[in-house]
Amino acid sequence: AQRVTQPEKLLSVFKGAPVELKCNYSYSGSPELFWYVQYSRQRLQLLLRHISRESIKGFTADLNKGETSFHLKKPFAQEEDSAMYYCALSGRNSGGYQKVTFGIGTKLQVIP
Amino acid sequence: NAGVTQTPKFRILKIGQSMTLQCAQDMNHNYMYWYRQDPGMGLKLIYYSVGAGITDKGEVPNGYNVSRSTTEDFPLRLELAAPSQTSVYFCASSSSQTGYEQYFGPGTRLTVT
Repeated sequence: AQRVTQPEKLLSVFKGAPVELKCNYSYSGSPELFWYVQYSRQRLQLLLRHISRESIKGFTADLNKGETSFHLKKPFAQEEDSAMYYCALSGRNSGGYQKVTFGIGTKLQVIP
Repeated sequence: NAGVTQTPKFRILKIGQSMTLQCAQDMNHNYMYWYRQDPGMGLKLIYYSVGAGITDKGEVPNGYNVSRSTTEDFPLRLELAAPSQTSVYFCASSSSQTGYEQYFGPGTRLTVT
């Protein structure tokens, strides 16, 4: 079974402070991990994925297989970063199909 | 490309009524999904499909039905609506060609009273 855990429902930080949104996963194979973002009243959209190892809007995330984590980080939070962030894992299920599991999401609130 | 489209945007149902939420994608994705998003509960998978004619249950399938007769369309049917089905419903699609990145629709806000 695959599982994604986001331990914080709400994370409040001051503008300019560092941000770390935690994500831990459970999966027996090689996972593909993603971070999605949902701004207020907008659809979910991909923020970044581990396989591309890129930085989007100043955010980065490193896959740590030893700790089974994929934490999302940004050195200096901005007000426009306030949104809902979802960690997601894509892996093959027992039927050989790709299955995606989302965490419950973390609401990031950046205080001016 | 229009991407993933959903209709309607909003709907109010009375208890016991039925309705179909429409979802279409024009990206030729083989995977399609239906999620519900409840406040503070994140996304929960209702049903998904890996191709035309193939569907499977997700975490919370009770009270819903789906069909996938074409690659493009993946309607979600609610039979005998209940207040517990008040939620925002998102449809998504993906494919191996996009590395299974999910493309989401704008959502349907459903209220059952």
